[in-house]
Amino acid sequence: EAGVAQSPRYKIIEKRQSVAFWCNPISGHATLYWYQQILGQGPKLLIQFQNNGVVDDSQLPKDRFSAERLKGVDSTLKIQPAKLEDSAVYLCASSFPGQGKHLYGYTFGSGTRLTVV
Amino acid sequence: LAKTTQPISMDSYEGQEVNITCSHNNIATNDYITWYQQFPSQGPRFIIQGYKTKVTNEVASLFIPADRKSSTLSLPRVSLSDTAVYYCLVVLTGANNLFFGTGTRLTVIP
Repeated sequence: EAGVAQSPRYKIIEKRQSVAFWCNPISGHATLYWYQQILGQGPKLLIQFQNNGVVDDSQLPKDRFSAERLKGVDSTLKIQPAKLEDSAVYLCASSFPGQGKHLYGYTFGSGTRLTVV
Repeated sequence: LAKTTQPISMDSYEGQEVNITCSHNNIATNDYITWYQQFPSQGPRFIIQGYKTKVTNEVASLFIPADRKSSTLSLPRVSLSDTAVYYCLVVLTGANNLFFGTGTRLTVIP
């Protein structure tokens, strides 16, 4: 079974520039998540989609971050304009809906490492 | 959300058994205890999950006392490839979100 695909793997941009990350979840996984992981910290949820609808975006800095999942499959996370503190790894994950205690299907991609200079 | 506390780092020699303890004093009745492993440059990976007593799989064992206020992840005979960050999470039944702390950085020494 193919895993969660993310691209690019690495990105270096200057502050105030814009950047976009792409995620392709595991086939059949209706729920998709974007996490931000700052060096030395655990991942922090930014946004959760169920199919193409947003379930939770309470931790997403909406003045600069946006995300979409138009057809309920692939997703794009965008930052515009980027700040130095946005330097982090951006992880995408997907799961079956309503797995509850059985989170075995909750799978992460390898992430995109963003460096803002 | 039940907050978890675990050691920031641990070192172990190859071949030893490693036990990482996590405290979660405010765990609720419907919460499960879940452990994830994260290697450098990769996303976290599910290791094991339990509710109470003991759970064992091909990777690890999870010990949970009766009061469920703590749990211990046990890795038998670690190798260099077990060097990673290990996260203890308390997950509400039916929830789809995972809330990570800072984890325990395990370094296996030759």
